[in-house]
Amino acid sequence: GEDVEQSLFLSVREGDSSVINCTYTDSSSTYLYWYKQEPGAGLQLLTYIFSNMDMKQDQRLTVLLNKKDKHLSLRIADTQTGDSAIYFCAEIPTGRRALTFGSGTRLQVQP
Amino acid sequence: GAVVSQHPSWVICKSGTSVKIECRSLDFQATTMFWYRQFPKQSLMLMATSNEGSKATYEQGVEKDKFLINHASLTLSTLTVTSAHPEDSSFYICSGGTGQGAGETQYFGPGTRLLVL
Repeated sequence: GEDVEQSLFLSVREGDSSVINCTYTDSSSTYLYWYKQEPGAGLQLLTYIFSNMDMKQDQRLTVLLNKKDKHLSLRIADTQTGDSAIYFCAEIPTGRRALTFGSGTRLQVQP
Repeated sequence: GAVVSQHPSWVICKSGTSVKIECRSLDFQATTMFWYRQFPKQSLMLMATSNEGSKATYEQGVEKDKFLINHASLTLSTLTVTSAHPEDSSFYICSGGTGQGAGETQYFGPGTRLLVL
């Protein structure tokens, strides 16, 4: 199947780090993505990681990839209230061009 | 980055009417456009993939006669919801891809919220 799974909800305090986890099923996916969706809005590409990488860092964002366990995580350092949103991990399964999205993790940042 | 626009941003219609949603790539040519649907508190589900100048490919369970997709140019794709019913109320999001293989980036529109009364 093409299931991508995420925990539904995460609550953190402002200034703490947030870690959002994702498990995917297609080990052949070349790229794995993280998108952010603010209320009532479309999707914003945050970052992506190539499958032969273990880690990618981009300012406050760190992506970790464990191919053996098919586990992807997004760490947001110094989380701000503006980071409150839904975060989707996504992959492009082998043979397809459309993204398969996880269920989304709602991040709530408390002041 | 590349910009994709959608029009309208929201629409309310009566049951039985048809609604057309436009998706435009403003500063790049989208060889492929994808249409997704998102129900409240759910993830995005792919409805169909359209390539410029050819028929769209629909996902299993999506009625092609109900959701008409036209991709007449490299910058415009339209989705028409025919004879809309309340269960079609959803958030419709399009994305444009540049067709550069596994590493291509998809650029998403802001979405169109449809409410069918």
